[in-house]
Amino acid sequence: GVTQSPTHLIKTRGQQVTLRCSSQSGHNTVSWYQQALGQGPQFIFQYYREEENGRGNFPPRFSGLQFPNDSSELNVNALELDDSALYLCASSFGTNTEAFFGQGTRLTVV
Amino acid sequence: AQSVTQLDSQVPVFEEAPVELRCNYSSSVSVYLFWYVQYPNQGLQLLLKYLSGSTLVKGINGFEAEFNKSQTSFHLRKPSVHISDTAEYFCAVSEGSGGGADGLTFGKGTHLIIQP
Repeated sequence: GVTQSPTHLIKTRGQQVTLRCSSQSGHNTVSWYQQALGQGPQFIFQYYREEENGRGNFPPRFSGLQFPNDSSELNVNALELDDSALYLCASSFGTNTEAFFGQGTRLTVV
Repeated sequence: AQSVTQLDSQVPVFEEAPVELRCNYSSSVSVYLFWYVQYPNQGLQLLLKYLSGSTLVKGINGFEAEFNKSQTSFHLRKPSVHISDTAEYFCAVSEGSGGGADGLTFGKGTHLIIQP
């Protein structure tokens, strides 16, 4: 399955954070979503074969990497209080097929 | 751009009763439609999906949904709910004809509350 680390994280405003995801074996696409409390997930970006393939309405301080070993990262610079949310990683084989979600990382910015 | 509206933020229903969770979407192109379930402090699990073909889609845990193109709806149904169905349910859409680079667009969710 898809695994994410860490499960919970507390950071201070202005800091930088890296969240990690391990995709399902063989999947070549990973997408990241931000889910604020009481809301549906919002698409941040998608990586396909290690290249950014699409991006939602998020500023450049949200960036990512996808590695050939089924792992990926979401980096957020200059953290703001509104960045507090559950961050979900989803992997798939192909860019528009069934996506499998991880358990998420709960980020709290104080 | 597409959007998803889940008409009910909360739906209480008695155990063993039927339930329908409503979802309407807006898109200028063909779409793929999905229903996901989220249990407390967990990620999302796919219940069912519509890509093409039969408009009645059957999923896991006894859920089914019907795609209605003229009404731009994709309502989720279950004939008899169980206490374990208590969870948050999300309807989502992606652009069917595109490469999926815009990701999934989700509704705000419907909290299904099963009462004993």
